[in-house]
Order: sequence, then C-alpha cells, then structure tokens
Amino acid sequence: AQSVAQPEDQVNVAEGNPLTVKCTYSVSGNPYLFWYVQYPNRGLQFLLKYITGDNLVKGSYGFEAEFNKSQTSFHLKKPSALVSDSALYFCAVRDPLYGGATNKLIFGTGTLLAVQP
Amino acid sequence: DAGVTQSPTHLIKTRGQQVTLRCSPKSGHDTVSWYQQALGQGPQFIFQYYEEEERQRGNFPDRFSGHQFPNYSSELNVNALLLGDSALYLCASSLARGIRDTEAFFGQGTRLTVV
Repeated sequence: AQSVAQPEDQVNVAEGNPLTVKCTYSVSGNPYLFWYVQYPNRGLQFLLKYITGDNLVKGSYGFEAEFNKSQTSFHLKKPSALVSDSALYFCAVRDPLYGGATNKLIFGTGTLLAVQP
Repeated sequence: DAGVTQSPTHLIKTRGQQVTLRCSPKSGHDTVSWYQQALGQGPQFIFQYYEEEERQRGNFPDRFSGHQFPNYSSELNVNALLLGDSALYLCASSLARGIRDTEAFFGQGTRLTVV
C-alpha cells in the first residue's frame, strides 16, 4: 500500500533561518509526490509537486523540495523562513491504482511549522 | 477565476440526522474528490467523481454517498450521522488528462459538528 510519513509533529525555526520539513514515502512504481499547506480554518493550498525530471522541485512562496529516490524522501525546504510561513504542512502521494487517471491522494499526518520572530 | 467553492462553511447536526455538503469545482476542472479531515489528522480520501460516476472510493461506509452533476459540481451526503463524523470535509477538483493530469485544488472546507 502507498503511504507517506512525516516523522516530526512540529518544527520550530527562527525567522531568517533555513527550514526543512521531512517526508518519506513508500510506493510501488514511480511516485507522484506533493506538498500542501494549510492555514488555520482554511483548506489546503498546493505548494509543489514531483512527477518526473529534476530532483529539485521549485514551488510557490519560495519553497522547494528535494526528491531522493535512494532514501525515499521528499523533504520540503526554504532558504529563509518567514513568520507568515507558520502553518500545517502536508506531504501526499498519489495512489496509482488507476493508472494514468486522476487518482486519490494519500496524506501524511502533517507537520506544524512554527517560525519565531 | 473562482477556485473551488464549498457550502456551507459550518454546519451543526444531531446524531442520526442526514447532511448534504456541496462543492463547485475550479473552472475547467472535471473531477471532484472528497476528503474527511478529523481534528489533528491528515485528510482521508472518501471518494472521487468523474463523468458523473464514482470512480474511486476510500475506506468509508455506505452511509457516505455522493453525486456529480453535468456541470461537474458535486454533493456529499452522509446518512445516520455519528459523533465520529465530526470533521472538516474538503472538496478537491482537478482535470483528468491521463498521466499528466493536474494537481488537486482544494476548497476551504465545510466544518461539520455532530452533537
């Protein structure tokens, strides 16, 4: 079964410092990986995705993610954190059961990012 | 361009009642998926609709049912509500294009409280 794991419930970082939010995955076949962010009482906002190609994926709001096949990881990164980045971050993998058709997403449990001023 | 819209934003129901949640997909999208997000958890896939048919279903009981209309909007119905059904219900839309289909865009969600 496809799954993603976010080993950290919370990540604390000072404003201006680099941040990393970790995600590891377990899939059969090629992984389609995503990062979403959720602000309080809001839905999920798409940040970036990895389908194929370059291992470093750039996304919205200065975020990027590094796909590492050997470590089955897809960590979210940002060179300089902002207080406004404080939110809940979800890693997700697309379940490929239905081949190329639009598929369901399997989410991790989320990591709360807290950026201190 | 309106994104994914859901209604209502909040809802309080009594145990045993039935509820209907509504979703309008992002313009140009043809696929709607529904997710349940319990407090402190990641979203869990309920089901997905494409071409007015249920295409995939997650591990949810038959009390959860849905519908997609010709204009691609969708409804989620939950019968015989249980306290455990209290959650944020998220609708996501996307465009099916085979392997290169688009990422899912999510609505703001409907907060359902069952008392």
